[in-house]
Amino acid sequence: EAQVTQNPRYLITVTGKKLTVTCSQNMNHEYMSWYRQDPGLGLRQIYYSMNVEVTDKGDVPEGYKVSRKEKRNFPLILESPSPNQTSLYFCASSKTPGLAVNEQFFGPGTRLTVL
Amino acid sequence: QQQVKQSPQSLIVQKGGISIINCAYENTAFDYFPWYQQFPGKGPALLIAIRPDVSEKKEGRFTISFNKSAKQFSLHIMDSQPGDSATYFCAASTDQAGTALIFGKGTTLSVSS
Repeated sequence: EAQVTQNPRYLITVTGKKLTVTCSQNMNHEYMSWYRQDPGLGLRQIYYSMNVEVTDKGDVPEGYKVSRKEKRNFPLILESPSPNQTSLYFCASSKTPGLAVNEQFFGPGTRLTVL
Repeated sequence: QQQVKQSPQSLIVQKGGISIINCAYENTAFDYFPWYQQFPGKGPALLIAIRPDVSEKKEGRFTISFNKSAKQFSLHIMDSQPGDSATYFCAASTDQAGTALIFGKGTTLSVSS
């Protein structure tokens, strides 16, 4: 089954304790992205990657890091989480440019609470 | 600066009625306009998308209307059903890949039976 998986699905942590949220896709997609979803703010892009070893900032990158060492994986790293990073996080992937309809496939989400 | 403005924030429609959600954008370089549907506890999923070379696209009960001069696009759900109850997001992007999607803030649709 074609899918984007995220782990963990739920995480409660404390301020300053480094954490990593993993994302993996099995569709051989070049493009991957991380979003955060907050009430009343919709989805905001954190980072994206056009291909292996190619990453770039989205709209709200502060406090986050990413890496793309393999095509299928795109982990999100919070080196020193703070309470304002409490949110619902989504990973997404899609194919290369040039398609008439370029669908981004979203993972099931990771709900993070930082105390 | 909010590049994609979506309204209304919430919408209640009776079963069988028409649901209309509107979006307006500012960046004239946007050339891809998808709508995503999100059910509680799930990630968003692509519903329908349009490019500015057409003014309307229809897929089943879902239609996108696009007005390039007004920089507006809307989603129409005909014969709305309780199963359509979800949050809907419009989005826009500036390149063919649909990368770097800029999302609206979302509309929560409730279809009453």
